[in-house]
Amino acid sequence: DVKVTQSSRYLVKRTGEKVFLECVQDMDHENMFWYRQDPGLGLRLIYFSYDVKMKEKGDIPEGYSVSREKKERFSLILESASTNQTSMYLCATTGHHSGANVLTFGAGSRLTVL
Amino acid sequence: AQRVTQPEKLLSVFKGAPVELKCNYSYSGSPELFWYVQYSRQRLQLLLRHISRESIKGFTADLNKGETSFHLKKPFAQEEDSAMYYCALSVRGGSNYKLTFGKGTLLTVNP
Repeated sequence: DVKVTQSSRYLVKRTGEKVFLECVQDMDHENMFWYRQDPGLGLRLIYFSYDVKMKEKGDIPEGYSVSREKKERFSLILESASTNQTSMYLCATTGHHSGANVLTFGAGSRLTVL
Repeated sequence: AQRVTQPEKLLSVFKGAPVELKCNYSYSGSPELFWYVQYSRQRLQLLLRHISRESIKGFTADLNKGETSFHLKKPFAQEEDSAMYYCALSVRGGSNYKLTFGKGTLLTVNP
Protein backbone atom coordinates (compact mmCIF):
# COMPACT_ATOMS: atom_id res chain seq x y z
CA ASP A 1 0.00 0.00 0.00
CA VAL A 2 1.06 3.52 -0.73
CA LYS A 3 1.79 5.45 2.37
CA VAL A 4 1.23 9.16 2.30
CA THR A 5 2.41 10.79 5.47
CA GLN A 6 1.60 14.31 6.52
CA SER A 7 3.97 15.31 9.26
CA SER A 8 1.62 17.47 11.30
CA ARG A 9 -1.90 16.39 12.20
CA TYR A 10 -2.78 19.56 14.10
CA LEU A 11 -1.20 22.99 13.97
CA VAL A 12 -2.13 26.27 15.57
CA LYS A 13 -0.50 29.38 14.16
CA ARG A 14 -0.91 33.10 14.47
CA THR A 15 -1.84 35.50 11.71
CA GLY A 16 1.22 36.46 9.72
CA GLU A 17 3.30 33.43 10.60
CA LYS A 18 4.95 31.33 7.91
CA VAL A 19 3.60 27.80 7.86
CA PHE A 20 5.09 24.68 6.31
CA LEU A 21 3.00 21.58 5.70
CA GLU A 22 5.00 18.54 4.70
CA CYS A 23 3.89 15.50 2.76
CA VAL A 24 6.02 12.42 2.09
CA GLN A 25 5.12 9.36 0.03
CA ASP A 26 7.01 6.11 -0.16
CA MET A 27 5.87 4.52 -3.41
CA ASP A 28 7.75 6.48 -6.05
CA HIS A 29 4.59 8.19 -7.31
CA GLU A 30 5.12 10.91 -9.88
CA ASN A 31 2.12 13.08 -9.08
CA MET A 32 1.41 14.91 -5.85
CA PHE A 33 -1.44 17.24 -4.91
CA TRP A 34 -2.47 19.59 -2.15
CA TYR A 35 -6.18 20.10 -1.44
CA ARG A 36 -8.00 21.95 1.25
CA GLN A 37 -11.20 20.50 2.65
CA ASP A 38 -13.85 22.78 4.09
CA PRO A 39 -17.42 21.92 5.17
CA GLY A 40 -19.87 22.82 2.45
CA LEU A 41 -17.10 23.55 -0.03
CA GLY A 42 -15.71 20.08 -0.58
CA LEU A 43 -12.14 19.58 -1.75
CA ARG A 44 -10.45 22.36 -3.65
CA LEU A 45 -7.13 21.92 -5.41
CA ILE A 46 -4.42 24.33 -4.32
CA TYR A 47 -1.32 23.16 -6.19
CA PHE A 48 -0.04 20.02 -7.83
CA SER A 49 3.19 18.64 -9.16
CA TYR A 50 3.92 16.05 -11.82
CA ASP A 51 7.66 15.93 -11.36
CA VAL A 52 10.51 17.13 -9.22
CA LYS A 53 10.89 20.92 -9.24
CA MET A 54 7.71 21.19 -11.25
CA LYS A 55 4.51 22.79 -9.96
CA GLU A 56 1.21 23.94 -11.35
CA LYS A 57 -1.50 26.09 -9.85
CA GLY A 58 -4.76 24.51 -8.96
CA ASP A 59 -8.06 26.27 -8.46
CA ILE A 60 -7.20 28.29 -5.35
CA PRO A 61 -3.44 28.99 -5.29
CA GLU A 62 -3.62 32.49 -3.84
CA GLY A 63 -1.78 32.78 -0.56
CA TYR A 64 0.06 29.49 -1.03
CA SER A 65 3.23 28.23 -2.60
CA VAL A 66 4.76 24.77 -2.92
CA SER A 67 8.11 23.08 -3.16
CA ARG A 68 9.09 19.76 -4.63
CA GLU A 69 12.83 19.27 -4.37
CA LYS A 70 12.64 15.50 -4.13
CA LYS A 71 10.23 13.08 -5.74
CA GLU A 72 8.87 11.79 -2.46
CA ARG A 73 8.29 15.14 -0.75
CA PHE A 74 5.80 17.89 -1.55
CA SER A 75 5.59 20.88 0.75
CA LEU A 76 2.83 23.44 1.03
CA ILE A 77 3.88 26.88 2.26
CA LEU A 78 1.74 29.65 3.63
CA GLU A 79 4.01 32.68 3.47
CA SER A 80 1.85 34.75 5.81
CA ALA A 81 -0.98 32.80 7.36
CA SER A 82 -4.41 34.39 7.57
CA THR A 83 -7.53 33.33 9.43
CA ASN A 84 -9.29 32.36 6.22
CA GLN A 85 -6.65 29.69 5.72
CA THR A 86 -7.93 27.80 8.74
CA SER A 87 -8.80 24.47 7.18
CA MET A 88 -8.03 20.79 6.78
CA TYR A 89 -5.23 20.29 4.26
CA LEU A 90 -5.00 17.01 2.40
CA CYS A 91 -2.04 15.73 0.46
CA ALA A 92 -2.62 13.10 -2.23
CA THR A 93 -0.58 11.16 -4.76
CA THR A 94 -1.06 9.16 -7.92
CA GLY A 95 1.30 7.11 -10.01
CA HIS A 96 1.17 5.52 -13.43
CA HIS A 97 1.28 2.04 -11.99
CA SER A 98 -1.56 2.67 -9.54
CA GLY A 99 -3.88 4.27 -12.03
CA ALA A 100 -3.26 7.82 -13.09
CA ASN A 101 -6.48 9.08 -11.53
CA VAL A 102 -6.67 7.07 -8.35
CA LEU A 103 -5.69 9.38 -5.53
CA THR A 104 -4.18 8.09 -2.32
CA PHE A 105 -4.67 10.57 0.48
CA GLY A 106 -2.77 11.40 3.61
CA ALA A 107 -4.48 11.67 6.97
CA GLY A 108 -4.70 15.43 6.73
CA SER A 109 -3.28 18.41 8.58
CA ARG A 110 -5.76 20.54 10.45
CA LEU A 111 -4.50 24.10 10.59
CA THR A 112 -5.99 26.76 12.82
CA VAL A 113 -4.86 30.34 12.29
CA LEU A 114 -5.63 32.68 15.19
CA ALA B 1 -14.52 24.66 -17.25
CA GLN B 2 -15.38 21.38 -15.65
CA ARG B 3 -17.77 21.24 -12.73
CA VAL B 4 -19.16 18.62 -10.39
CA THR B 5 -22.45 19.19 -8.60
CA GLN B 6 -23.72 17.23 -5.65
CA PRO B 7 -27.09 18.81 -4.91
CA GLU B 8 -27.57 17.32 -1.45
CA LYS B 9 -25.33 18.40 1.41
CA LEU B 10 -27.06 16.01 3.79
CA LEU B 11 -28.92 12.77 3.20
CA SER B 12 -30.54 10.72 5.92
CA VAL B 13 -32.09 7.28 5.44
CA PHE B 14 -33.06 4.34 7.61
CA LYS B 15 -31.18 1.08 7.67
CA GLY B 16 -32.39 -1.22 4.92
CA ALA B 17 -33.77 1.59 2.78
CA PRO B 18 -32.43 2.31 -0.69
CA VAL B 19 -30.06 5.20 -1.03
CA GLU B 20 -29.07 7.35 -3.99
CA LEU B 21 -26.44 10.06 -3.83
CA LYS B 22 -26.70 12.36 -6.81
CA CYS B 23 -23.84 13.67 -8.89
CA ASN B 24 -24.00 15.75 -12.06
CA TYR B 25 -21.06 16.99 -14.04
CA SER B 26 -20.29 19.42 -16.80
CA TYR B 27 -17.36 18.75 -19.07
CA SER B 28 -17.01 19.00 -22.81
CA GLY B 29 -14.58 16.11 -23.14
CA SER B 30 -14.79 12.43 -22.38
CA PRO B 31 -15.34 12.17 -18.64
CA GLU B 32 -13.86 9.80 -16.13
CA LEU B 33 -15.78 9.80 -12.87
CA PHE B 34 -15.14 8.55 -9.38
CA TRP B 35 -16.75 8.30 -5.98
CA TYR B 36 -14.56 8.85 -2.94
CA VAL B 37 -15.66 8.21 0.64
CA GLN B 38 -14.49 9.40 4.02
CA TYR B 39 -15.62 7.49 7.08
CA SER B 40 -15.40 9.10 10.48
CA ARG B 41 -11.79 9.56 11.57
CA GLN B 42 -10.47 7.85 8.45
CA ARG B 43 -8.67 8.99 5.35
CA LEU B 44 -10.47 9.88 2.18
CA GLN B 45 -10.40 6.83 -0.07
CA LEU B 46 -11.58 5.67 -3.45
CA LEU B 47 -14.93 3.89 -3.41
CA LEU B 48 -15.40 3.20 -7.09
CA ARG B 49 -14.66 4.47 -10.59
CA HIS B 50 -16.97 4.28 -13.56
CA ILE B 51 -14.55 2.51 -15.88
CA SER B 52 -14.34 -0.42 -13.47
CA ARG B 53 -18.07 -1.07 -13.66
CA GLU B 54 -17.91 -2.92 -10.36
CA SER B 55 -19.91 -2.96 -7.16
CA ILE B 56 -18.04 -2.00 -4.02
CA LYS B 57 -19.63 -2.53 -0.60
CA GLY B 58 -22.94 -2.95 -2.42
CA PHE B 59 -22.68 0.44 -4.13
CA THR B 60 -22.93 0.92 -7.87
CA ALA B 61 -22.77 3.98 -10.09
CA ASP B 62 -23.59 4.24 -13.76
CA LEU B 63 -22.31 6.98 -15.99
CA ASN B 64 -25.19 8.54 -17.94
CA LYS B 65 -23.67 10.77 -20.57
CA GLY B 66 -27.06 11.95 -21.80
CA GLU B 67 -28.00 13.27 -18.37
CA THR B 68 -24.37 14.01 -17.43
CA SER B 69 -24.87 12.14 -14.20
CA PHE B 70 -23.03 9.58 -12.10
CA HIS B 71 -25.36 8.80 -9.23
CA LEU B 72 -24.26 6.42 -6.49
CA LYS B 73 -26.81 3.81 -5.45
CA LYS B 74 -27.24 1.06 -2.92
CA PRO B 75 -30.42 -0.98 -2.58
CA PHE B 76 -30.20 -1.57 1.17
CA ALA B 77 -28.28 0.95 3.26
CA GLN B 78 -26.31 -0.15 6.31
CA GLU B 79 -25.31 1.88 9.33
CA GLU B 80 -21.65 1.50 8.41
CA ASP B 81 -22.35 3.35 5.17
CA SER B 82 -22.63 6.58 7.14
CA ALA B 83 -19.88 8.79 5.78
CA MET B 84 -19.05 11.77 3.60
CA TYR B 85 -19.20 10.98 -0.10
CA TYR B 86 -17.50 12.99 -2.83
CA CYS B 87 -18.04 12.69 -6.54
CA ALA B 88 -15.00 13.56 -8.65
CA LEU B 89 -14.31 14.22 -12.32
CA SER B 90 -10.96 13.59 -13.93
CA VAL B 91 -9.79 16.08 -16.50
CA ARG B 92 -6.91 15.42 -18.77
CA GLY B 93 -4.44 18.17 -19.55
CA GLY B 94 -1.79 16.89 -21.92
CA SER B 95 -0.45 13.66 -20.50
CA ASN B 96 -1.48 14.52 -16.97
CA TYR B 97 -4.69 14.50 -15.01
CA LYS B 98 -6.28 16.38 -12.19
CA LEU B 99 -9.47 15.71 -10.29
CA THR B 100 -12.26 18.15 -9.60
CA PHE B 101 -14.43 17.28 -6.63
CA GLY B 102 -18.00 18.06 -5.75
CA LYS B 103 -18.88 19.63 -2.43
CA GLY B 104 -19.79 16.32 -0.88
CA THR B 105 -22.85 14.65 0.60
CA LEU B 106 -22.96 13.55 4.21
CA LEU B 107 -24.91 10.32 4.40
CA THR B 108 -26.40 9.24 7.70
CA VAL B 109 -27.97 5.81 7.98
CA ASN B 110 -30.20 5.60 11.01
CA PRO B 111 -30.90 2.34 12.87
